[in-house]
Amino acid sequence: AQSVTQLGSHVSVSEGALVLLRCNYSSSVPPYLFWYVQYPNQGLQLLLKYTSAATLVKGINGFEAEFKKSETSFHLTKPSAHMSDAAEYFCAVTFTGGGNKLTFGTGTQLKVEL
Amino acid sequence: AAGVIQSPRHLIKEKRETATLKCYPIPRHDTVYWYQQGPGQDPQFLISFYEKMQSDKGSIPDRFSAQQFSDYHSELNMSSLELGDSALYFCASSLFWLAGGSYEQYFGPGTRLTVT
Repeated sequence: AQSVTQLGSHVSVSEGALVLLRCNYSSSVPPYLFWYVQYPNQGLQLLLKYTSAATLVKGINGFEAEFKKSETSFHLTKPSAHMSDAAEYFCAVTFTGGGNKLTFGTGTQLKVEL
Repeated sequence: AAGVIQSPRHLIKEKRETATLKCYPIPRHDTVYWYQQGPGQDPQFLISFYEKMQSDKGSIPDRFSAQQFSDYHSELNMSSLELGDSALYFCASSLFWLAGGSYEQYFGPGTRLTVT
């Protein structure tokens, strides 16, 4: 079965510091990977996706992620954190033949401090 | 740009009552998905529809049913509500995935269901 694991349920960074949110996947077939962000009491907003084209994927709000098959990872990064980045981030996976349903990780709450 | 619309945004029901949640997908999107997110949990896939036919089924209780209509909107019907059904229910829409491809899903703002 396909799954994603997010390391660290809570991450705290200083404003202006690097943001690194970790996601590892498990899949017996080529996966499609996504990062979503959820602000309090809001829906899920797509940040970026990997669908087997470029391994380095750029998304909205300055975020990017790199697909590393050898490490089965899809970590999310942002060079400089902003207060408005404080939210919950979910890594999700689907795969060919999987009906396109998303399987989510348990989420990482990002806190940005002054 | 038009987004996924869900109604109502908030719903309070008592145990054993029924609830109907509605979802209007992004125009031209033909596939609708329903997810349930419990407090402090990740979203869990319930069910999906393509062209009014159920395309996949996840961990949806037998007390729940759903359908997609000719205008592509979808409704999730929940009966005999239990306290544990209290959650945020998301609808997402996408274009139908092609063999070997995957289209991203766009989520609505969710319906917060509280069962008392």
